[in-house]
Amino acid sequence: DIQLTQSPSFLSASVGDRVTITCRTSQGISSFLAWYQQKPGKAPKLLIYGASTLQSGVPSRFSGSGSGTEFTLTISSLQPEDFAVYYCQQLNGYPLFTFGPGTKVDIK
Amino acid sequence: QITLKESGPTLVKPTQTLTLTCTFSGFSLTSSGVGVGWIRQPPGKALEYLAYIYGNDDKRYSPSLKSRLTINKDTSKNQVVLTMTNIDPVDTATYYCAHSLFNSGWYFDYWGQGTLVTVSA
Repeated sequence: DIQLTQSPSFLSASVGDRVTITCRTSQGISSFLAWYQQKPGKAPKLLIYGASTLQSGVPSRFSGSGSGTEFTLTISSLQPEDFAVYYCQQLNGYPLFTFGPGTKVDIK
Repeated sequence: QITLKESGPTLVKPTQTLTLTCTFSGFSLTSSGVGVGWIRQPPGKALEYLAYIYGNDDKRYSPSLKSRLTINKDTSKNQVVLTMTNIDPVDTATYYCAHSLFNSGWYFDYWGQGTLVTVSA
């Protein structure tokens, strides 16, 4: 079965910081990767799919890159509303729809 | 506008069968290019994929839970139903249903608000 890891699992950052989160998969998945943002008590929100395509309505400070087994989510200038947990998800390995363990972005 | 909403019991006893319903609007679950999935999240933990049903009635399950899960759809009611047998306290979680499309790579673009299910005697 495919495994997803995310690093770091937790990061503390300030408003305005550039933040990068990495997701690695145990086998190559081409670009079949998505990123979700989840705030406390809320459902996850799709940010990026296809590794680098911004979902409609998502601010352009969010970007994604990578292919194969290593992917990154970058927030170019962290805003107060971006403090949340971020999950990656793959859709090319078995089992489909597997999520990563999450990265919590907290206020420094 | 696409919306989904989960419903079901909030408290379930161990060994019982849990039945959750996802009622949706704004799309039809009748073509192979659309699907609905179930995802859960234990308190303070990560998201876990459970099951998925395509509009053509093809079904997929998490391998670790496959023996306990059944997913079905009722297109006349715009509902997707998930049943989980032999419930255990570790199944305590918020359960979400979500929509996805072939054209957007099958990622979950619309989610329900979630329903918290507590398993306790």
